Amino acid sequence: LAKTTQPISMDSYEGQEVNITCSHNNIATNDYITWYQQFPSQGPRFIIQGYKTKVTNEVASLFIPADRKSSTLSLPRVSLSDTAVYYCLVGEKNRGSTLGRLYFGRGTQLTVWP
Amino acid sequence: NAGVMQNPRHLVRRRGQEARLRCSPMKGHSHVYWYRQLPEEGLKFMVYLQKENIIDESGMPKERFSAEFPKEGPSILRIQQVVRGDSAAYFCASSGGMNTEAFFGQGTRLTVV
Repeated sequence: LAKTTQPISMDSYEGQEVNITCSHNNIATNDYITWYQQFPSQGPRFIIQGYKTKVTNEVASLFIPADRKSSTLSLPRVSLSDTAVYYCLVGEKNRGSTLGRLYFGRGTQLTVWP
Repeated sequence: NAGVMQNPRHLVRRRGQEARLRCSPMKGHSHVYWYRQLPEEGLKFMVYLQKENIIDESGMPKERFSAEFPKEGPSILRIQQVVRGDSAAYFCASSGGMNTEAFFGQGTRLTVV
């Protein structure tokens, strides 16, 4: 499984765009990149998944360069409620899982200030 | 369609007691996963079950921990003779298949005193 590296913490202000970058130098050909969000006292929630180039949904955008050794989660115009831990996962199967398991690192604690 | 339900939300046990954590998957889901989150750490995979079968228990501690997912009823994570180091948040997730999205419950916070 490809190991991921992401910043431990980030700070932002309301209304700004936030970009969280994840490094996964050993990503394999069949690996997908998946991001989860976890609020305090709650379980993780799927945000977005991609394989290459750019993926966008109603919550975020995911940018993946051609070499796929990194990816960037982009949150447009964050609000206080976006304060959470964001996890980057890389896995062989769809949804970032391998044999049903998800591998979470420490994640990035995003704090949005008023 | 209710989400993944875990109970209790909070559980306090004295050292040496048993802890039983329950997880009811989403309707129609037959795959259940248990994760443990220690303070200030990410989630660690523990065990993956399908109905009446343990598929992968590579993340389970060798002693005192067991899990089941019977044909009827919720999945149970059982911790015998709890110690202070077992204090953590235990999350359950369910999915409809190996390659489909997993949905997480709100977790059970176990405190061992």
